[in-house]
Amino acid sequence: DADVTQTPRNRITKTGKRIMLECSQTKGHDRMYWYRQDPGLGLQLIYYSFDVKDINKGEISDGYSVSRQAQAKFSLSLESAIPNQTALYFCATSDFPVGPEETQYFGPGTRLLVL
Amino acid sequence: AQSVTQPDIHITVSEGASLELRCNYSYGATPYLFWYVQSPGQGLQLLLKYFSGDTLVQGIKGFEAEFKRSQSSFNLRKPSVHWSDAAEYFCAVGGGTGTASKLTFGTGTRLQVTL
Repeated sequence: DADVTQTPRNRITKTGKRIMLECSQTKGHDRMYWYRQDPGLGLQLIYYSFDVKDINKGEISDGYSVSRQAQAKFSLSLESAIPNQTALYFCATSDFPVGPEETQYFGPGTRLLVL
Repeated sequence: AQSVTQPDIHITVSEGASLELRCNYSYGATPYLFWYVQSPGQGLQLLLKYFSGDTLVQGIKGFEAEFKRSQSSFNLRKPSVHWSDAAEYFCAVGGGTGTASKLTFGTGTRLQVTL
């Protein structure tokens, strides 16, 4: 499995603050993803990146931005945090294009509370 | 658009009893199907996946799932549940190749195991 790490693991911030969540992986995967998880809603895709120069919006990108600093690093920023961005955030990588079937591997998550 | 339905929000089983978690999907082509498990405070761990071939898929921790195209289902089963299986389980569908390979998650089923 991909070794995917996320920092911080927990974060409390205030409305209006800018924060960054970081994701790193050590398996050399090109594709990386950011999801948020809300109770009862499963996971929703925020942004995804197929390589350093290819970044795409997901289902719920409003209020978020991302940066792919290197193949191994993919950061998610909340420019001006609001309380309804309180959620559990997951980073994932995938092994595409080893084969046409793609498997995603998830980090441990960052729990964010916006007051 | 692809979608996943997990009809059971919460299931309770006794340790040693059999388990079946339901998953129904909607997808226009051949789906790629996944089951992930999220233990309390942990990230998502891949249990098993189906891409093609044998419709009965074996996974880790003694889990298996059966793909039934006629029923658009991919139910997860385990013959004998252990207390450590208590967690939340997510079914996901992915598909396509090239630029369109994204996962859609169900809302999850929380499994409680009684001793």
